[in-house]
Amino acid sequence: GAVVSQHPSWVICKSGTSVKIECRSLDFQATTMFWYRQFPKQSLMLMATSNEGSKATYEQGVEKDKFLINHASLTLSTLTVTSAHPEDSSFYICSASPAGGNTGELFFGEGSRLTVL
Amino acid sequence: DAKTTQPPSMDCAEGRAANLPCNHSTISGNEYVYWYRQIHSQGPQYIIHGLKNNETNEMASLIITEDRKSSTLILPHATLRDTAVYYCIVRVAGGGNKLTFGTGTQLKVEL
Repeated sequence: GAVVSQHPSWVICKSGTSVKIECRSLDFQATTMFWYRQFPKQSLMLMATSNEGSKATYEQGVEKDKFLINHASLTLSTLTVTSAHPEDSSFYICSASPAGGNTGELFFGEGSRLTVL
Repeated sequence: DAKTTQPPSMDCAEGRAANLPCNHSTISGNEYVYWYRQIHSQGPQYIIHGLKNNETNEMASLIITEDRKSSTLILPHATLRDTAVYYCIVRVAGGGNKLTFGTGTQLKVEL
């Protein structure tokens, strides 16, 4: 299947700093990418839909000024957690679907674990 | 997207078939049934999907009832590496359509 890669796979930062997570589709172009967050022992929660060349669409309750999403190309979307705090510590996962795919199969990255001290 | 109901956990002996049920009684005519799994601390992995016909691939088989209100994912010969949370999701096909995850079924494959 298609490959989606995230970087970094894990990051530790101090409270108040900003952290950027990259999501790349390695062998296909994706006009839409999705960002999820997962807390321990919980399911994945959709945070936002990232659209290439336009503003992201955020789910209810997700602060768009805190979680900045940029989808500048058909193979790269970034999530920046601004002024991170310990409660932002979580597993962040992105997914993407090949443009033009007829069944809309989504492929997921390996996830990025953020720990805010 | 229609909601799905899955048992929270199941056990299976290694080498035996694992049959994971999913109820989706409010599924719409244009919604597909997708199955993903998530091994601990990894991103979800696509397994299989179908609309109304039964489907089979190298990983699993998907059996969808005639009324499409429920389905079963079958892992024919479960191994320890199949231990994971399995998610059944119904969704309209199309790359721009999001996947909404429920709580899934924690499958534990044991010796």
